[in-house]
Amino acid sequence: KQEVTQIPAALSVPEGENLVLNCSFTDSAIYNLQWFRQDPGKGLTSLLLIQSSQREQTSGRLNASLDKSSGRSTLYIAASQPGDSATYLCKKGNKLVFGAGTILRVKS
Amino acid sequence: GAGVSQSPSNKVTEKGKDVELRCDPISGHTALYWYRQSLGQGLEFLIYFQGNSAPDKSGLPSDRFSAERTGGSVSTLTIQRTQQEDSAVYLCASSPMDRDRSYEQYFGPGTRLTVT
Repeated sequence: KQEVTQIPAALSVPEGENLVLNCSFTDSAIYNLQWFRQDPGKGLTSLLLIQSSQREQTSGRLNASLDKSSGRSTLYIAASQPGDSATYLCKKGNKLVFGAGTILRVKS
Repeated sequence: GAGVSQSPSNKVTEKGKDVELRCDPISGHTALYWYRQSLGQGLEFLIYFQGNSAPDKSGLPSDRFSAERTGGSVSTLTIQRTQQEDSAVYLCASSPMDRDRSYEQYFGPGTRLTVT
């Protein structure tokens, strides 16, 4: 069974801190990996998409990496802000499998 | 440009009734996906449409669930004889031509279904 695991399940940090969210998956056969954020009561907003041929993608304060051999992806958030508070989800593209998410709270 | 839209945003129905949920994908996107997100659960894949190909229905939880996509655009998810365990947020997403389900997905705001 295809599985995607996200660690930690929840994270609370003070404003300004750099942080890393982890996503691991079984089966190294992967077309891409996509990171989303979900605000309470809202749909998902795409943050970064890493194709299987890429090792990382960057957008502003966000950097996502992909290591197919170890079945892992990380989302790095620099200089966190209260507005970053949300649930972060990763999705393994070709199997349409989502992780359960990491609930992030950034305290001001 | 316009994103993925879903209607209604909220739906409350009595157990045993049928409901229809609608999704309008981004214009030109040929792939359309339905997911379900239950309280405390992750996103659960339901069904996938790609162009004129037969849909992938492997995620539908029971035969009470069905979906169609008319004219390669708008999609309707129908739940017959609703049960309380059907209560969830139903999310729709679309993406450009995506035979390998590898393109970036864009999500709608979801429909929150409550079965009383």
